[in-house]
Amino acid sequence: EIVLTQSPDFQSVTPKEKVTITCRASQSVGSSLHWYQQKPDQSPKLLINYASQSISGVPSRFSGSGSGTDFTLTINSLEAEDAATYYCHQSSSLPITFGQGTRLEIK
Amino acid sequence: QVTLKESGPALVKPTQTLTLTCTFSGFSLSSSGMRVSWIRQPPGKALEWLARIDWGDNKVYSTSLKTRLTISKDTSKNQVVLTMTNMDPVDTATYYCVRSISSTNWLDPWGQGTLVTVSS
Repeated sequence: EIVLTQSPDFQSVTPKEKVTITCRASQSVGSSLHWYQQKPDQSPKLLINYASQSISGVPSRFSGSGSGTDFTLTINSLEAEDAATYYCHQSSSLPITFGQGTRLEIK
Repeated sequence: QVTLKESGPALVKPTQTLTLTCTFSGFSLSSSGMRVSWIRQPPGKALEWLARIDWGDNKVYSTSLKTRLTISKDTSKNQVVLTMTNMDPVDTATYYCVRSISSTNWLDPWGQGTLVTVSS
């Protein structure tokens, strides 16, 4: 089973700040790494697919990068509505696995 | 527009069997490439993938929960059913169903989720 480890677990940030969340895989997943945003009391929503591909309707301040075992989700110029928990997910091999999540709090 | 909605009991007793139904629209599970997964999330915790079924009736399960899970589909009703036996309080979670496509593999969209509490 591929283990995904995110860092940090929690971050408190101010609006307009740049945020970087990392996801490290225990073995290579190629580019089969996807990011989701989950706001309180909502279901997860796809944010970035295949490490860096943008999703229609997702604000351009969200971007992803990486391949192999190391991946990054970047949020440029954070907005208050970005308060959420962010998860990475690998679809390279079964079983499907997720990172433990990174909770962003807006100061 | 693709939508999915989970339904089932909000409360089950320990040792009972949980049966959840995912009713979806906007796609057919008989169409090549279509897949539906079940994923759960204990309160305040991370996501955990449970099982998946595809258009060819291929089924895959979480290694740790394999002996307790059964996934099935009713294509005519646009439904996927998950059963989990021998429920325990640690199985208290919100259960989601979600669509994926074999050519892309990301999980989208997700259902709204249904909270299942295991308590006597």
